[in-house]
Amino acid sequence: AQTVTQSQPEMSVQEAETVTLSCTYDTSENNYYLFWYKQPPSRQMILVIRQEAYKQQNATENRFSVNFQKAAKSFSLKISDSQLGDTAMYFCAFMKLGNSGYALNFGKGTSLLVTP
Amino acid sequence: SQTIHQWPATLVQPVGSPLSLECTVEGTSNPNLYWYRQAAGRGLQLLFYSVGIGQISSEVPQNLSASRPQDRQFILSSKKLLLSDSGFYLCAWSVNAEETQYFGPGTRLLVL
Repeated sequence: AQTVTQSQPEMSVQEAETVTLSCTYDTSENNYYLFWYKQPPSRQMILVIRQEAYKQQNATENRFSVNFQKAAKSFSLKISDSQLGDTAMYFCAFMKLGNSGYALNFGKGTSLLVTP
Repeated sequence: SQTIHQWPATLVQPVGSPLSLECTVEGTSNPNLYWYRQAAGRGLQLLFYSVGIGQISSEVPQNLSASRPQDRQFILSSKKLLLSDSGFYLCAWSVNAEETQYFGPGTRLLVL
């Protein structure tokens, strides 16, 4: 079974600053996807970014980028120019590809607070 | 574009009562559909997934069941709710099993 670990239960960053959220995972698989989802106070899960394991290039989406280290099984999320609207729970998730690749395995989340 | 709806948004039910939560997807055909539960302060746990009408797979044994009566409709049910069924229930869809899952707004269920 795959496990996803987010070692930072809570983080805080000032508006306009940069913050990095950590995620590590444990798997013996070679083909998989990694995701970061954001859950604001409304509690709807919103996709932030996706990384395919076969791609060496780190994914980016506007102010959000990842540092994907496959050998180290690390997948951190960097938020640049933090905005108040970035305040949310952030979940790292792993998806195994293949016949049983249906489930997203989630970490326990990191609560990010962006302060003025 | 695709949209996913869930209702009700909030539900308070007594122990032992039945449950029916509904999820519908618009703008796509034959999606994969998923039910997740999120307990307080925790990540999401997959409960059920469906790759087509009438095809339901259960990930964890529990007091709940799921059905897919129509292509874009996914229902989560229980005959008798337990206190431990309280939580936040999220429905999700994807194009297929190896694509990104997109989530609905969720249903808050409180069993008293």
